[in-house]
Amino acid sequence: DAKTTQPTSMDCAEGRAANLPCNHSTISGNEYVYWYRQIHSQGPQYIIHGLKNNETNEMASLIITEDRKSSTLILPHATLRDTAVYYCIGGARNTPLVFGKGTRLSVIA
Amino acid sequence: EAQVTQNPRYLITVTGKKLTVTCSQNMNHEYMSWYRQDPGLGLRQIYYSMNVEVTDKGDVPEGYKVSRKEKRNFPLILESPSPNQTSLYFCASSLYGSSGNTIYFGEGSWLTVV
Repeated sequence: DAKTTQPTSMDCAEGRAANLPCNHSTISGNEYVYWYRQIHSQGPQYIIHGLKNNETNEMASLIITEDRKSSTLILPHATLRDTAVYYCIGGARNTPLVFGKGTRLSVIA
Repeated sequence: EAQVTQNPRYLITVTGKKLTVTCSQNMNHEYMSWYRQDPGLGLRQIYYSMNVEVTDKGDVPEGYKVSRKEKRNFPLILESPSPNQTSLYFCASSLYGSSGNTIYFGEGSWLTVV
C-alpha cells in the first residue's frame, strides 16, 4: 500500500469549504486514493475514491494532482456534522486498505 | 438495508474468560475484516478474510482467532482475553475486486477486560 501523509488536525469555519490535503508520493499506477471519515467512535464511512481523474459525488470532491503524488478532499460547505477524523488511503483494488491516523477536522460555528 | 452487524456492542468481561464477537453482513461480500481502535493508534487490522475458509493475519493478530465458515459471518474469538485487549472493535466487509473496494463498517463493539 502507498504510504500517505496527512496533517494531524485542521479547523474550518462552518459554511466554508474544507480542503483536506494528502501526500502519497509513493503511490503506484494501480493504486487508488480512498477517503473515509470517522465521526466520534462510529464505524468509518466511505466518502470517495479515485485513480487519476478528479471525482465528485454528493458528499465531496476529490482533486488528484497530475503526477498523482498528492490529492485534496474538498467538502464544499462544511457543517458541524462534518467534524470527524478523515483518512486518506492508497491501495490497489485487491489488497486490504491500511488506515493511518488521519486528519482531525473541526468545523467551528 | 445493506449493513454490517456486530454483537455485542458493549461488553465487560474478566481476564481469561473466552468470548466471541459476532459479525454478519448481508451484502454477499467476499472480503471481511476485523480492526481494533485505541487512542493515538488509529485503526489497526487484526485479521481479514478474502473468502470462505480463507483467513489471513493483519497487523495485530496476537491473542485473537477468527473463522470464516460461511460468507456472511466472520466471528472474532478471544480465547483468553487480557486487559490489553480492552479496545473498540470494528468489523468490516467489502465486495472484493469491484471498482473502488469500498469498505462497509459495523457500528463497533466496546470491549473491556478487567
